[in-house]
Amino acid sequence: EVELVQSGAEVKKPGESLKISCKGSGFDFTNYWIGWVRQMPGKGLEWMGIIYPGDSDTRYSPSFQGHVTISADKSINTAYLQWSSLKASDTAIYYCARHFGYFGSQAYGDYWGHGTLVSVSS
Amino acid sequence: EIVLTQSPGTLSLSPGERATLSCWASQGVPSNYVAWYQQKPGQAPRPLIYDASSRAPGIPARFRGSGSGTDFTLTISRLEAEDFAVYYCQQYGSSPRTFGQGTKVEIK
Repeated sequence: EVELVQSGAEVKKPGESLKISCKGSGFDFTNYWIGWVRQMPGKGLEWMGIIYPGDSDTRYSPSFQGHVTISADKSINTAYLQWSSLKASDTAIYYCARHFGYFGSQAYGDYWGHGTLVSVSS
Repeated sequence: EIVLTQSPGTLSLSPGERATLSCWASQGVPSNYVAWYQQKPGQAPRPLIYDASSRAPGIPARFRGSGSGTDFTLTISRLEAEDFAVYYCQQYGSSPRTFGQGTKVEIK
């Protein structure tokens, strides 16, 4: 059974760093792309970026480039999303999702994690 | 960047009625690589349609995707109680991938 299990909710202060995770199971983690999506409170879905754990090829949305870092450790089937200095505006739910490809047929998010709530407040 | 605009913002319908949701792209989506997702409160998005018109595994036949170029549509033939949710379109034919702002289907 395909599963993406995300790390638990986080409460942080502005300026702190954070790394959240997304662990895949039930599929060959190195042959799929893992994307990250932000959902701010009461708002819609925003595409952040995507990584191919097989070779760590990473693509970012211009809106998030430089603000977050996406990485992966294929040895433990885990993708990460990290911030070096959080802001209150980073408060959101962050989802990871598996993708068959970066472009092309069937390259949609076919399995999703449950989401990680990140709350940033002083 | 391709901007996706969904309409209407909110659709108020009764169970058994037909729902028609639109998604317009600011420029043609290459190869019509458009997906539709359903999201209920407190849940992750659930994929419904990919490649504009293919149903994702396990999705009932009452969900139908259509369209090409810049105009895409999700049709729910007869609404059931569990279909009342927010629906998002997404394009994955051009970088960066983008989502529409969502259409809420609520009970009338």
